[in-house]
Amino acid sequence: EVQLVESGGGLVQPGGSLRLSCAASGFTFSLYSMSWVRQAPGKGLEWVSFIAGGSSGTYYADSVKGRFTMSRDNSKNTVYLQMNSLRVEDTAVYYCAQNGNLDSWGQGTLVTVSS
Amino acid sequence: DVVMTQSPLSLPVTLGQPASISCRSSQSLVYSDGNTYLNWFQQRAGQSPRRLIYKVSNRDSGVPDRFSGSGSGTDFTLKISRVEAEDVGVYYCMQGSHWLYTFGQGTKLEIK
Repeated sequence: EVQLVESGGGLVQPGGSLRLSCAASGFTFSLYSMSWVRQAPGKGLEWVSFIAGGSSGTYYADSVKGRFTMSRDNSKNTVYLQMNSLRVEDTAVYYCAQNGNLDSWGQGTLVTVSS
Repeated sequence: DVVMTQSPLSLPVTLGQPASISCRSSQSLVYSDGNTYLNWFQQRAGQSPRRLIYKVSNRDSGVPDRFSGSGSGTDFTLKISRVEAEDVGVYYCMQGSHWLYTFGQGTKLEIK
């Protein structure tokens, strides 16, 4: 069974940084691309970033480009989202998901950017 | 970016009756490999989204067969043949053919 467990969310001031992690199990992690998707309170879903299986390529939404960096450690079956220069509008639940077509999702981790 | 437009945004349905959600894309979703990466997700209150349908019409494991997807090019539909109480939630279409992958606004299904 595929399991994705996010961690690292919390309260941070505008301009601050956070690193989210997503630990994966139940599938051959290195063979799969991974994604981060976020959902602001009461709003819809927004794609944030995508990383290919071999870390050969990463893609970002314009809203986070230059501020967020997605990476992966295939030896630890984990993907990361380093978030810098955080803004109030980055407040959301952040989900990691398997593959570009979002086969399976984690439970999400809440990031709150507020002074 | 490809804009995904869902309708209706609110869908009150009587139990046991059918329901249909439309999703239109601003450009064709046929990818260079010949596949059309149009997916449907269900999000119940307080839960993570769950994929129901991938590549237009393929049901994910464990998804009841009352859910079906159809369409091509830029015009897609999710149908529920007979709505049950557990189907209440928000439904999103999503395209994975063109980066930036994008979602529709969501359709809130409720029981009338």
